[in-house]
Amino acid sequence: KAGVTQTPRYLIKTRGQQVTLSCSPISGHRSVSWYQQTPGQGLQFLFEYFSETQRNKGNFPGRFSGRQFSNSRSEMNVSTLELGDSALYLCASSGTVGGEKLFFGSGTQLSVL
Amino acid sequence: DAKTTQPPSMDCAEGRAANLPCNHSTISGNEYVYWYRQIHSQGPQYIIHGLKNNETNEMASLIITEDRKSSTLILPHATLRDTAVYYCIVLSGAQKLVFGQGTRLTINP
Repeated sequence: KAGVTQTPRYLIKTRGQQVTLSCSPISGHRSVSWYQQTPGQGLQFLFEYFSETQRNKGNFPGRFSGRQFSNSRSEMNVSTLELGDSALYLCASSGTVGGEKLFFGSGTQLSVL
Repeated sequence: DAKTTQPPSMDCAEGRAANLPCNHSTISGNEYVYWYRQIHSQGPQYIIHGLKNNETNEMASLIITEDRKSSTLILPHATLRDTAVYYCIVLSGAQKLVFGQGTRLTINP
């Protein structure tokens, strides 16, 4: 069974631009969560989607948004990029909403210049 | 906020058992203890979880004290590939995973 796939693996953007990251969960998993990881703040929860609906949301500004498609694939969008948005963005899938046994992808490393 | 306390770093010799402690003195009756690890440049990997009984799987053993205020993750025969940051997390089904700073475990040859 294929794991969680995130694309792209690396991304370089400039301040003010917007970016879209993609995540394909494990086949059969309907829950997708997004995390931001930085050296200073560690792993921080962004949001969780289940059956195309956002079920949980972390403490991030509205510039961070996401969506989930009917095939459970998810995208995360960050608008008006700031330097502080430079981070590793991780996607995780689970078989149930709020599922604690998460399977993570390798992440997208975003650098904002 | 993370509800656990872990030492920031630990060292262990290759081939020996690595014992990683975690304090969770405010754990509630319906909260599980989960362990994940993150190897450099990869996403976190689920290891094991438990409620109050000791658990064992192919990766590790989890020992939870009777009062459930602390636990220990045991890697029975550590290898160099076990070098990673290990996260201890407590939560119930309605919560989201909150990662603390974890323990950076270094396995030395």
